[in-house]
Amino acid sequence: DSGVTQTPKHLITATGQRVTLRCSPRSGDLSVYWYQQSLDQGLQFLIQYYNGEERAKGNILERFSAQQFPDLHSELNLSSLELGDSALYFCASSVGGGGGNSPLHFGNGTRLTVT
Amino acid sequence: DAKTTQPPSMDCAEGRAANLPCNHSTISGNEYVYWYRQIHSQGPQYIIHGLKNNETNEMASLIITEDRKSSTLILPHATLRDTAVYYCISYNNDMRFGAGTRLTVKP
Repeated sequence: DSGVTQTPKHLITATGQRVTLRCSPRSGDLSVYWYQQSLDQGLQFLIQYYNGEERAKGNILERFSAQQFPDLHSELNLSSLELGDSALYFCASSVGGGGGNSPLHFGNGTRLTVT
Repeated sequence: DAKTTQPPSMDCAEGRAANLPCNHSTISGNEYVYWYRQIHSQGPQYIIHGLKNNETNEMASLIITEDRKSSTLILPHATLRDTAVYYCISYNNDMRFGAGTRLTVKP
């Protein structure tokens, strides 16, 4: 158990809809990272937050947004969903703000299916 | 994009050591080398990391060359449960993953 909690585990929704994925980091971790993994694809970095502030942005679509709250949990909002958004979405957390001597610890992911 | 290069796939016999190479020729002086693995569709699992010195933990050993341009992850006695995609990453800020090496441990 990595200590990172993601909810829900599975989500099925229709095209055009909006969903929110939630991540609770490990106790003491200040950074949260979001990744997308489509079927048989690699992990695509979306965005990182550190102590409530956006720290780094990757290949995140404009239809997607994220935030980190004062209690350090994070939410990833996906809107105007398309079939191609079907994927596993992973959250990871780390103590530091990125880089250095601070491993990432991943949750078990949310499997999103858009029909 | 990821700054590391790994072979796309490798096989290893069960019980033998698995040696997974990684090239990171553009690594900066303050960038750590990290290794993770992903078993099927589970969340990636942290294995080990290092800066300059070789490192060992209960899962694996990490050998980093003196010039830091490459490293090798060693699983000393591979088991079937070690079959996974192994990712080598060197980073200073955001953590971007490459395609990794698909290690298959065979009986």
